[in-house]
Amino acid sequence: DVKVTQSSRYLVKRTGEKVFLECVQDMDHENMFWYRQDPGLGLRLIYFSYDVKMKEKGDIPEGYSVSREKKERFSLILESASTNQTSMYLCASSSPRGRALQFFGPGTRLTVL
Amino acid sequence: SQQGEEDPQALSIQEGENATMNCSYKTSINNLQWYRQNSGRGLVHLILIRSNEREKHSGRLRVTLDTSKKSSSLLITASRAADTASYFCATDALSEKLVFGKGTKLTVNP
Repeated sequence: DVKVTQSSRYLVKRTGEKVFLECVQDMDHENMFWYRQDPGLGLRLIYFSYDVKMKEKGDIPEGYSVSREKKERFSLILESASTNQTSMYLCASSSPRGRALQFFGPGTRLTVL
Repeated sequence: SQQGEEDPQALSIQEGENATMNCSYKTSINNLQWYRQNSGRGLVHLILIRSNEREKHSGRLRVTLDTSKKSSSLLITASRAADTASYFCATDALSEKLVFGKGTKLTVNP
């Protein structure tokens, strides 16, 4: 059974903290994505990666960075968390041969106080 | 940038009724996909329709695509309480990235 896992389901952090959100997929997918989801705004792409050590900015990269040192793992980093980064974060992966069909993790609900 | 826009934003029906959701998009696509999201969870892929297809079925799901109108519809027949979820369309805009709409929240009342 294909699987995308995220390190935490719920996370509470304080303003200014450095936050790491981890995503691991076991499908040997080349593509990995980080989205945030907010009420009324839908899913918005933060960053994506088509290969190891490769990253591309999505629509809302400000305040975030990413790391992809291994094919199966894609990390989202909030260098200095702010309250407006309180959101649901979703990781997804896909294969270039899969017609852009994405498999999603369960999500991490991050609250920044 | 948001490309897909679902309509309606929310839909409430009785069990056994059919539910129809619509999606409009703006640019050329390779394919259009529909995803479901149960409350507080990740998205699950439901069905993919290619740009050269007009209709596709999967179980109780029927998807249509009209590329001339840049629109798609998702029909769920004989709805069940377990179909209660948010439904999103996603377009690929000729790349590996997907652009998601804001979703339709479907409530199926027992």
